[in-house]
Amino acid sequence: GAVVSQHPSWVICKSGTSVKIECRSLDFQATTMFWYRQFPKQSLMLMATSNEGSKATYEQGVEKDKFLINHASLTLSTLTVTSAHPEDSSFYICSATGRTSGFASTDTQYFGPGTRLTVL
Amino acid sequence: GENVEQHPSTLSVQEGDSAVIKCTYSDSASNYFPWYKQELGKRPQLIIDIRSNVGEKKDQRIAVTLNKTAKHFSLHITETQPEDSAVYFCAATFYSSASKIIFGSGTRLSIRP
Repeated sequence: GAVVSQHPSWVICKSGTSVKIECRSLDFQATTMFWYRQFPKQSLMLMATSNEGSKATYEQGVEKDKFLINHASLTLSTLTVTSAHPEDSSFYICSATGRTSGFASTDTQYFGPGTRLTVL
Repeated sequence: GENVEQHPSTLSVQEGDSAVIKCTYSDSASNYFPWYKQELGKRPQLIIDIRSNVGEKKDQRIAVTLNKTAKHFSLHITETQPEDSAVYFCAATFYSSASKIIFGSGTRLSIRP
């Protein structure tokens, strides 16, 4: 149980275009989803936290108009990188926490496999 | 602020020896401390976690200790094996407008044969 998927696993796009990344919880209801960005040889940096049906909470320094997050259902959250530029190239990872009998706690996060974005 | 510091950044140990990674956190209200192992290009995998009402937790060759007073927690890997080579991240929960996990900077562990 507690499987999180992401799509696509990798994407290459031209500078100025927008890219949408999907994060799905496959076998549980994700009350909260998190989006992280990881540059090579660096740690995971939290970008934003989203709860189903409400606006995402962005971390300081993360542009909410550039990184649009939608958490419309308990199994799906999307991250749209608008007007992507080469400096947005990174590994984007989502995670989710749930509230089902199978979860040890609501703090435990389960990660998706990540999406590698390359902006040319 | 919300901060998790992790040391060392790199660690090389002889196969069979023990490895210790240390972290400190900034908020005394933090009460959940997971440790993740990440292999190149893959997602972080939870290897062990500890809550603030427990001082130590062990799972086979892996153990974590927590000192709430010092806001310090450590990962101990005994009898290291080549497959333990990876990047390890500590993390801690912070509760502001929402519950979230902040990661340490990571430790690249290499096991020498």
